Amino acid sequence: DSGVTQTPKHLITATGQRVTLRCSPRSGDLSVYWYQQSLDQGLQFLIQYYNGEERAKGNILERFSAQQFPDLHSELNLSSLELGDSALYFCASSVDGRGDYGYTFGSGTRLTVV
Amino acid sequence: DQQVKQNSPSLSVQEGRISILNCDYTNSMFDYFLWYKKYPAEGPTFLISISSIKDKNEDGRFTVFLNKSAKHLSLHIVPSQPGDSAVYFCAARRSTSGTYKYIFGTGTRLKVLA
Repeated sequence: DSGVTQTPKHLITATGQRVTLRCSPRSGDLSVYWYQQSLDQGLQFLIQYYNGEERAKGNILERFSAQQFPDLHSELNLSSLELGDSALYFCASSVDGRGDYGYTFGSGTRLTVV
Repeated sequence: DQQVKQNSPSLSVQEGRISILNCDYTNSMFDYFLWYKKYPAEGPTFLISISSIKDKNEDGRFTVFLNKSAKHLSLHIVPSQPGDSAVYFCAARRSTSGTYKYIFGTGTRLKVLA
């Protein structure tokens, strides 16, 4: 157990729907990151939050949004889902926003859009 | 545009021998590099890092080498063990105005044969 908790582990939904992925960071970590891993692709950075505020943005689609709450857990909202959104979504956390000691990753949420 | 490339999707090595995983990058502004290991059904776990001001960092059986002029990073595992069988990702950090983004390669699947 890495200390980063992601729920749900698996999600199957239809095109056009909206889903919410949840992440609880490791205790003491202030930064949360979301990554997407499609088939045979590397990890694509989506967005980072630090202590409740958006810190950095990657290749996140406008249909996707995220937030970090006062208790530091984070949610990634995916709407108007398309078949191509099927992927593994990882959440990671770090104590600071630099990641010098690497991130701690959760085990991911596998999203299947049918 | 893939700024961080791992050109070998897979690698097989005999137990006890050296495993060398390679990573090339294109952006000379990257200032920090990390390697992660990923087992199936788990998130990536941080392995070792190196700053751009160094050319080598060692941690037990794992050594990372950085050749800045060639924009090349490699991870050496000596001796390789069956438990090292996993997917290895390299990641490079770009620091811009106080934000830090990591760009990941697509991974190399290492298989250590007993």
